[in-house]
Amino acid sequence: QVQLVESGGGVVQPGGSLRLSCAASGFIFNNYDMHWVRQAPGKGLEWVAFIRYDGSNIQYIDSVKGRFTISRDNSNNALYLQMNSLRPEDTALYYCAKDFGNWANWFDPWGQGTLVTVSS
Amino acid sequence: DIQMTQSPSSLSASVGDRVTITCRASQGLRNRLAWYQQKPEKAPKSLIYDVSSLQSGVPSRFSGRGSETEFTLTISSLQPEDFATYYCQQYNSYPLTFGGGTKVEIK
Repeated sequence: QVQLVESGGGVVQPGGSLRLSCAASGFIFNNYDMHWVRQAPGKGLEWVAFIRYDGSNIQYIDSVKGRFTISRDNSNNALYLQMNSLRPEDTALYYCAKDFGNWANWFDPWGQGTLVTVSS
Repeated sequence: DIQMTQSPSSLSASVGDRVTITCRASQGLRNRLAWYQQKPEKAPKSLIYDVSSLQSGVPSRFSGRGSETEFTLTISSLQPEDFATYYCQQYNSYPLTFGGGTKVEIK
């Protein structure tokens, strides 16, 4: 079955960097678009970034543009989120999510998430 | 950006009740709307896509309807495992956006 396992979260000071990873299995990774979605503690869901199956199209929410970079390694079935210039408001559980298919832009399934805490 | 407004933000209901959650969009979505269920400490799970299409494995007591800017998720007979938070999401345009969530609690 489809499995998405995030890693790389942790505690970082404001202005610092982190690189999140998502290991994918159980489906043909290079056929599917992928997303990152985050959830601040006790809050709702916020879509962060999208990458087309071949990397040809990338989208971000405005609040992370210029600071975050989404990428993928299809040979290793991995999705990444490089996060620079982190701010306290980036504190959240970050989910990796598979696009349903064919640029659907809705999410199924989701990983279990990795927690990023930005604090001094 | 398309704003998504869910109501109510929370509700209390009993097992067997019929429950309806509303989601309103700030502009027309061309039927590009999904619903998710999230239980505490768990990742969200997709329920419905394209307004009314039931995702595989989702019980038929869940249904969605609506068009353009107003949408509903209905649970026809609430079951104990349905107590959770529900989110709508538009995928008509970037940035993809979610409603604020509706927490369904036990009365």
